[in-house]
Amino acid sequence: GAVVSQHPSWVICKSGTSVKIECRSLDFQATTMFWYRQFPKQSLMLMATSNEGSKATYEQGVEKDKFLINHASLTLSTLTVTSAHPEDSSFYICSAPFLLAGSTDTQYFGPGTRLTVL
Amino acid sequence: AQTVTQSQPEMSVQEAETVTLSCTYDTSENNYYLFWYKQPPSRQMILVIRQEAYKQQNATENRFSVNFQKAAKSFSLKISDSQLGDTAMYFCAFIQGAQKLVFGQGTRLTINP
Repeated sequence: GAVVSQHPSWVICKSGTSVKIECRSLDFQATTMFWYRQFPKQSLMLMATSNEGSKATYEQGVEKDKFLINHASLTLSTLTVTSAHPEDSSFYICSAPFLLAGSTDTQYFGPGTRLTVL
Repeated sequence: AQTVTQSQPEMSVQEAETVTLSCTYDTSENNYYLFWYKQPPSRQMILVIRQEAYKQQNATENRFSVNFQKAAKSFSLKISDSQLGDTAMYFCAFIQGAQKLVFGQGTRLTINP
């Protein structure tokens, strides 16, 4: 249980285009999901919290008009990078919390999406 | 604000040796959870072990165990009988309340044959 998928695993796009990344919880429901960005050899940086049925909550310094998040259902959240530029090139990872018996929610991560903007 | 510090950017040991990764954190809360995640070259984040702050007993998962010192705010990971497949980035993480994970900077561990 607690499997999270991401699609696509990698994408190359031209500058100025938009790219959509999907995050799915495959065998559980998630009212919240999280989107991270990771630069090479660095830790994960939380970008935003995706909330099912309501607006996403963005971390300070993250442009909400650049990174559009939609939590369409209890198993799907999407991140759209709008008008992508080379500086948006990065590794994007999503996670979803899963409640383990007798414990707290534990974050399970998708495999990540490598975005390259030319 | 909660912070997590991993003071060892890189470590390297021989296969079958035991290695300990350090992690300290700062919080004023009493109830929280601590995690170690592994990120191998595939970059998939994998949960290694979890510790509830209210439990005094250190968590163990096969070859992985933690030394949780709540008063010292320390949460180290010990890997016994290290294997080549343990080569990865290891991230210590903290969570309390709002489910926002706070990560440390990571330790790059290399297991040499």
